[in-house]
Amino acid sequence: DTGVSQNPRHKITKRGQNVTFRCDPISEHNRLYWYRQTLGQGPEFLTYFQNEAQLEKSRLLSDRFSAERPKGSFSTLEIQRTEQGDSAMYLCASSPGWQHNQPQHFGDGTRLSIL
Amino acid sequence: QKEVEQNSGPLSVPEGAIASLNCTYSDRGSQSFFWYRQYSGKSPELIMSIYSNGDKEDGRFTAQLNKASQYVSLLIRDSQPSDSATYLCAVKPLLNYGGSQGNLIFGKGTKLSVKP
Repeated sequence: DTGVSQNPRHKITKRGQNVTFRCDPISEHNRLYWYRQTLGQGPEFLTYFQNEAQLEKSRLLSDRFSAERPKGSFSTLEIQRTEQGDSAMYLCASSPGWQHNQPQHFGDGTRLSIL
Repeated sequence: QKEVEQNSGPLSVPEGAIASLNCTYSDRGSQSFFWYRQYSGKSPELIMSIYSNGDKEDGRFTAQLNKASQYVSLLIRDSQPSDSATYLCAVKPLLNYGGSQGNLIFGKGTKLSVKP
C-alpha cells in the first residue's frame, strides 16, 4: 500500500507566475484534502474532494486557487498569479470514504517558495 | 470560530522520561481526535486517533480524551531522542454542529525535545 504521493517536492517561482501541484492519494481512498502550512503553524484546510466532487472550499482558497480531481483519482492544485504570501508547504491528504471520522494520511508535501 | 490550542513549547524531557502533551478544543460537538508527529521539514505522520472518553494505548503512546473538559492529551513513555519533533493535535468537528465534512482543525503544535 503506497502512501500519498505529491509532486513536485519543491517549487521555486517568481511572483506573478502560475504553479500547479499534483497529488496521488492512497489507492482506494476516495476522499482527498488539500492543506497549507506555514512556519510555526498547524496545517490549514483549503479544500476537500469526495471522488471527483469538490465538496468544500475554505475561505483561504481565494479565486487565484483552483483544485480539480477529474477522474476521482489524482488531484491538482493550481495557484495563479502567485504572491509572496503564497509561500508555504502545500499538503495533500487522503482517507477512506466509508466514515467521516477516518484518519487522514498526508503526503510529503510541496514546498512553494515565491521569489 | 473553532479552535484547537496547544502549548508551543519547547517541551524538554530527558531520555527515558514521560513526555506529556496537551491540547484543548473549543467545539464541544467534536467527535474525532488525532495526534500527528511532524519532523522538521517533513509532513505530519499519524500517531494516534481517539474517539471515546478515556485512555487509548499503542506501544509507548497513550492518548487520553475528556470530552466534558474538552481536553485531549498524548503521553509518550520511555521518551527517545528520535521522538524529538513537533506534535500536532487535530480535531474533527461533528457534521451537525456546523462542522464540515472534510477538514481537520489543527493546533499550532508542541515542539518536543528529548535530551540524551
